Amino acid sequence: DAGVIQSPRHEVTEMGQEVTLRCKPISGHDYLFWYRQTMMRGLELLIYFNNNVPIDDSGMPEDRFSAKMPNASFSTLKIQPSEPRDSAVYFCASSLKTGAWPQHFGDGTRLSIL
Amino acid sequence: GENVEQHPSTLSVQEGDSAVIKCTYSDSASNYFPWYKQELGKRPQLIIDIRSNVGEKKDQRIAVTLNKTAKHFSLHITETQPEDSAVYFCAASIPGAGSYQLTFGKGTKLSVIP
Repeated sequence: DAGVIQSPRHEVTEMGQEVTLRCKPISGHDYLFWYRQTMMRGLELLIYFNNNVPIDDSGMPEDRFSAKMPNASFSTLKIQPSEPRDSAVYFCASSLKTGAWPQHFGDGTRLSIL
Repeated sequence: GENVEQHPSTLSVQEGDSAVIKCTYSDSASNYFPWYKQELGKRPQLIIDIRSNVGEKKDQRIAVTLNKTAKHFSLHITETQPEDSAVYFCAASIPGAGSYQLTFGKGTKLSVIP
């Protein structure tokens, strides 16, 4: 079975541009998570979905960030407008169930905002 | 919310020696404790996990112990090999209706010296 698939793997863009990151969770997984990883702050949860519904977006840094999950097999994380401080690795993860169940990570998108 | 402290931040061991990484958590309601290994430029991968109804779990050279009273859990790697070199993250999860989050520690960079 394919794991969590993210695209693009790398994104370099200029400040002010819109950035869209994409994620396909593992088939059958009910939960989808977006994380941001930086050296300074480690792994931070941005938002997560249950059955395509956003449950907790308290980790989203500000209104420039938005996330959607239009169906069970696709999610996007959008940054508009992007800023240099948004540069990080963004991971998507999915999980089969709630509670004591492992999360499986995608390969991440390395985002650089110039 | 939950807070997870991880120590040490860096650890160097000779090949063949054991490595121990410790984490403490703040919320006694936490009931799930996974460990992830992240190699440079790659995604975090689950290596072992433990639930609060178990005190210890072992998988070949890797073991995790949990002390619920003291609210800490540890990763033990025996007979370390160069390929064990990576960053290791602990995490804790608090159960709750409609809520499921993993709070991660800041990571431990393990270097195994041949």
